[in-house]
Amino acid sequence: ETGVTQSPTHLIKTRGQQVTLRCSSQSGHNTVSWYQQALGQGPQFIFQYYREEENGRGNFPPRFSGLQFPNYSSELNVNALELDDSALYLCASSSQREPYEQYFGPGTRLTVT
Amino acid sequence: GQNIDQPTEMTATEGAIVQINCTYQTSGFNGLFWYQQHAGEAPTFLSYNVLDGLEEKGRFSSFLSRSKGYSYLLLKELQMKDSASYLCVGRGRGSTLGRLYFGRGTQLTVWP
Repeated sequence: ETGVTQSPTHLIKTRGQQVTLRCSSQSGHNTVSWYQQALGQGPQFIFQYYREEENGRGNFPPRFSGLQFPNYSSELNVNALELDDSALYLCASSSQREPYEQYFGPGTRLTVT
Repeated sequence: GQNIDQPTEMTATEGAIVQINCTYQTSGFNGLFWYQQHAGEAPTFLSYNVLDGLEEKGRFSSFLSRSKGYSYLLLKELQMKDSASYLCVGRGRGSTLGRLYFGRGTQLTVWP
């Protein structure tokens, strides 16, 4: 196990609703990245947080937003849910030291109906 | 660009050796990772190459040629538990240094 935790494990929401996913980083890590993984695909980068500030963003619309807290835990918020948002959402923590490898939590499986 | 290409599926038998290849656009990355992902689980870190050559880690080895935009993961003495998806992952450079770019993964099935 990596020491990265995510909640909830599974979630079912209706189109148009909003959702908040949570992540606690591994001890000693100050950087959290969020990824979306659709079935049969590799994870796609959503954004990264370092010292409570967004530190890079992938090709996702503004309705995907996030926060990082002083203890380095993080939230991913998605507004106006769409059916295509159904996916596994992965949180990964890392340090800012070489080689910057990332350690993943177990993920949150979101289903939008 | 950062396109990563790897085979979709591979099969092998228990005890054998398998090599999973990965190609990418050379200007895109500053280092290559390999991750393993079992069905329904999160990816786990296997190896990292930033310089050309072979990195060995037990039954797993990874190779990188930066000039050719080529990497491979070598798995020896295959076990049933090695059945998983293997993800070739590029590490961004410059302003995207901490960002990971994942391939679609190679689904390896190990038969008894």
